[in-house]
Amino acid sequence: GAVVSQHPSRVICKSGTSVKIECRSLDFQATTMFWYRQFPKQSLMLMATSNEGSKATYEQGVEKDKFLINHASLTLSTLTVTSAHPEDSSFYICSARDLGGTSGGAKSYNEQFFGPGTRLTVL
Amino acid sequence: QKEVEQNSGPLSVPEGAIASLNCTYSDRGSQSFFWYRQYSGKSPELIMFIYSNGDKEDGRFTAQLNKASQYVSLLIRDSQPSDSATYLCAVTKGRRALTFGSGTRLQVQP
Repeated sequence: GAVVSQHPSRVICKSGTSVKIECRSLDFQATTMFWYRQFPKQSLMLMATSNEGSKATYEQGVEKDKFLINHASLTLSTLTVTSAHPEDSSFYICSARDLGGTSGGAKSYNEQFFGPGTRLTVL
Repeated sequence: QKEVEQNSGPLSVPEGAIASLNCTYSDRGSQSFFWYRQYSGKSPELIMFIYSNGDKEDGRFTAQLNKASQYVSLLIRDSQPSDSATYLCAVTKGRRALTFGSGTRLQVQP
């Protein structure tokens, strides 16, 4: 249990295009999902917290109009990078928290299950 | 001051030795502490979590927490080359998202 998938795993796009990344909790309901970004040799930086049925909460310095987050169901959150530029190239990772305990896989009540990540390269 | 601080390393230990990874945090109200392992190009995977002061053991791994000193550590006994990775310390409070340290790169020499 407690599997989180991301799609696509890797994407290369031209500058100015938009890219959508999907994050799915496969066997549990995730009322909260988190989006992180990781640049080479740096740690994970939280971009936003996505709550099902409500607006995402963005961290300071993250442009909400550039990084559109939608969490329309308990198993799916999407991140759309609009008008991507080379400086947006990064490793994007989502995570989900099973507060309801439906997965049976949580070792900790506050454990976050991470997706495999999406490598975005903007040319 | 960073919220979660780790020595970036690399920390190099011979195979079979004990690797000691350290982490300090600034928010005294932090409640939950996690250690993740991250291989290059992959997402983090949970190794240990700890809530209470003291030691917590799981196989070859021992997490140690000292809330008075705002310090959490991870010991890896009988280190193996497959343990070579970046180890991320993460803390949180309540239902907030995790705050990660910058990670310590561990190299286990065969």
